Amino acid sequence: DGGITQSPKYLFRKEGQNVTLSCEQNLNHDAMYWYRQDPGQGLRLIYYSQIVNDFQKGDIAEGYSVSREKKESFPLTVTSAQKNPTAFYLCASQLQGLGAGANVLTFGAGSRLTVL
Amino acid sequence: KNEVEQSPQNLTAQEGEFITINCSYSVGISALHWLQQHPGGGIVSLFMLSSGKKKHGRLIATINIQEKHSSLHITASHPRDSAVYICVSRETSGSRLTFGEGTQLTVNP
Repeated sequence: DGGITQSPKYLFRKEGQNVTLSCEQNLNHDAMYWYRQDPGQGLRLIYYSQIVNDFQKGDIAEGYSVSREKKESFPLTVTSAQKNPTAFYLCASQLQGLGAGANVLTFGAGSRLTVL
Repeated sequence: KNEVEQSPQNLTAQEGEFITINCSYSVGISALHWLQQHPGGGIVSLFMLSSGKKKHGRLIATINIQEKHSSLHITASHPRDSAVYICVSRETSGSRLTFGEGTQLTVNP
């Protein structure tokens, strides 16, 4: 079945460590997104990518980095520069264009990061 | 900058009631999505609209492009509808998505 796989589902890290969250999709979607959700708040855009080897900063990109070397993969690294990294992270993808299935959003199950 | 506002922020209903959640946005969009997020965090896409109205089971979504407004209706609500409902707009230019802050719906038996 097609979908988005995020891993790990739960992650604990010590302060000062970098961690990488995986997001893989087999939907052949062009656009991929990373969002952060804090308790009682809406989703905020960290980074997005419309095409391989290209990505754009979202509203809260500081302290995060991404890569898009393959269409299927859009990993997010939470660096030690991110001052408050404890949050729920969601990856999403979307097929661009005008054809059937275009612009439908698909979400991963999320990754919950806790900094100890 | 596109602003997306949802109302109400919290909604409690009795089983069987008709529910409406509203979403307003401020710039031209190419599509609007309604999402459902369950307590575990998983998100399901309910609808994608660019005009008119869509229906799926007990859920109905409408959009008025001129008024920059969309509504999500749930008929004959059920406790299993309890979730956060999120409206998302996709700007006409580019792929950028803007999320509303969500509406927490609780349906009591």
